[in-house]
Amino acid sequence: DAKTTQPNSMESNEEEPVHLPCNHSTISGTDYIHWYRQLPSQGPEYVIHGLTSNVNNRMASLAIAEDRKSSTLILHRATLRDAAVYYCILSLRGNSGGSNYKLTFGKGTLLTVNP
Amino acid sequence: GAGVSQSPSNKVTEKGKDVELRCDPISGHTALYWYRQSLGQGLEFLIYFQGNSAPDKSGLPSDRFSAERTGGSVSTLTIQRTQQEDSAVYLCASSQSGIMQYFGPGTRLTVL
Repeated sequence: DAKTTQPNSMESNEEEPVHLPCNHSTISGTDYIHWYRQLPSQGPEYVIHGLTSNVNNRMASLAIAEDRKSSTLILHRATLRDAAVYYCILSLRGNSGGSNYKLTFGKGTLLTVNP
Repeated sequence: GAGVSQSPSNKVTEKGKDVELRCDPISGHTALYWYRQSLGQGLEFLIYFQGNSAPDKSGLPSDRFSAERTGGSVSTLTIQRTQQEDSAVYLCASSQSGIMQYFGPGTRLTVL
């Protein structure tokens, strides 16, 4: 399984941008890069995903290196509600059909947002 | 709209008892996943259902674990003869495309 490496923790100030890095040097050509986050006592929440090109949505931006061996999740203006564990995951297309994107979660990055 | 719901939210049981955990996915989502999260650990994939296809059971840790999905909607995860190491939060997720997964709040299982 292709693995990801993330810093254990990061700190930011409210209303400042946050750049969360992820290394995935063994990524394969068909692996999608997913980001989820988990707030305390809640299930994970989808943030964004991408394959090769940079992606933007209402929550965040995903910048993917040209060689795809690393990516960065960008929160443009951190809020207190963004404090969570952020997981960078490579999808592993498993058995039982073409839409099985079972996710293997690592330890993630604990983001603290200071007021 | 309604998200993924799971019941019960908390379950305390005695070692050796059987438990059933329920997941109601988002209406219209054909893919359904079960994961578990042990204390201080990341999420671990358990099983995947997609329509009428054979489920991917590759993540089930032992034959004490089983799951079914009736009518392509509600799913039940059953753990027989529970052990203390089964204590965890069990999470269900559903998806329309497979890529964007929507998680429920989880069931916290405590085996005494």
